[in-house]
Amino acid sequence: AQTVTQSQPEMSVQEAETVTLSCTYDTSENNYYLFWYKQPPSRQMILVIRQEAYKQQNATENRFSVNFQKAAKSFSLKISDSQLGDTAMYFCAFRLYEKLTFGTGTRLTIIP
Amino acid sequence: DAGITQSPRHKVTETGTPVTLRCHQTENHRYMYWYRQDPGHGLRLIHYSYGVKDTDKGEVSDGYSVSRSKTEDFLLTLESATSSQTSVYFCAISPDSSNQPQHFGDGTRLSIL
Repeated sequence: AQTVTQSQPEMSVQEAETVTLSCTYDTSENNYYLFWYKQPPSRQMILVIRQEAYKQQNATENRFSVNFQKAAKSFSLKISDSQLGDTAMYFCAFRLYEKLTFGTGTRLTIIP
Repeated sequence: DAGITQSPRHKVTETGTPVTLRCHQTENHRYMYWYRQDPGHGLRLIHYSYGVKDTDKGEVSDGYSVSRSKTEDFLLTLESATSSQTSVYFCAISPDSSNQPQHFGDGTRLSIL
């Protein structure tokens, strides 16, 4: 069974700074997909970014980027120029075939 | 946004009563999922469906049953609700089992007293 670990339950950062959220996973499979989801206080689950394991290039979406280290089974999320609207729970997720496995989340607070 | 509607959005009920949550999609996606979200656990898969009348268990399926009689609807039933099933329940959909992400409904907050 796959496991996903987010070791930082809570983080806070000043507005406009850069913050990195960590995620590690455990699998014996080779082809899989990784995602970061954001859950603001509204409770919606919003897809932030995704990474295919067979791609070496790190995914980027505007201010969000990942550092994917396949050998180390690490998938961290970097948020640049953080904004107040980035305050949310962030979940790392691992997808193999039809199933998605989530980490326990990191609560990120952006301080004005 | 993906067309996913969960109903009800909130429900309070008593231990021992049956409860049914509904997930309705307008995207004609093949896969549908039910998760529960609890503090310290993230989201955990309860059941999922890969087609009409085709369902399978997730990691926390005890005490829950599901049904999918139409592509667009996926029902989650708690036959006899217990306080341990107090949670926020999310439905998700996905077009296939490949790299497509799952899209989520807005969740149902269920309180069992």
